[in-house]
Amino acid sequence: ETGVTQTPRHLVMGMTNKKSLKCEQHLGHNAMYWYKQSAKKPLELMFVYNFKEQTENNSVPSRFSPECPNSSHLFLHLHTLQPEDSALYLCASSAGTLGTLAGRQETQYFGPGTRLLVL
Amino acid sequence: DAKTTQPTSMDCAEGRAANLPCNHSTISGNEYVYWYRQIHSQGPQYIIHGLKNNETNEMASLIITEDRKSSTLILPHATLRDTAVYYCIVPYYGGATNKLIFGTGTLLAVQP
Repeated sequence: ETGVTQTPRHLVMGMTNKKSLKCEQHLGHNAMYWYKQSAKKPLELMFVYNFKEQTENNSVPSRFSPECPNSSHLFLHLHTLQPEDSALYLCASSAGTLGTLAGRQETQYFGPGTRLLVL
Repeated sequence: DAKTTQPTSMDCAEGRAANLPCNHSTISGNEYVYWYRQIHSQGPQYIIHGLKNNETNEMASLIITEDRKSSTLILPHATLRDTAVYYCIVPYYGGATNKLIFGTGTLLAVQP
């Protein structure tokens, strides 16, 4: 257990559906991240939130809409997805992202992921 | 792009030490080296990180060369459960966000 939970663990959705992925961290961290991992590809950073504010959008299509209501919760709202969006979606958190030299602050702790299949 | 290079795959016999190399020849003096691993279809797991001194924790040891251009992750007694993809990462610093850029890592296969 890393202190980061994700629900659901598995999700099958049609291209016209709307669904949401949820992430919760119990570590008292201030930064949260969404990553995407397609089959046989490296993890790709999607979004970063720092103190509830979005600080990074890595050119993610608008059919993915993140929401961070507080530092402990992060959502990824999905709408009109394509089959190529099928992937493992991972959430992570870290103590802070202040660009410091203090190595501990950059350590990210990952949740177990949501395996998404878009039909 | 990732700032590190690693072998694509390695084998190790169960019970033996697994030594995973990483090259980071462009690393700056204040940049850390992080190691994560990912067991199939699970979230990445933090292992260890270091700056210039060797580090050890309950999972592994990290040996960083004096010029900091390469490092080796050592699992002292590999078990079958250590079979995973191991990522060596030098974070991107700057702005409001430090970013971990995951490359393809090294697939370590521990053999019985």
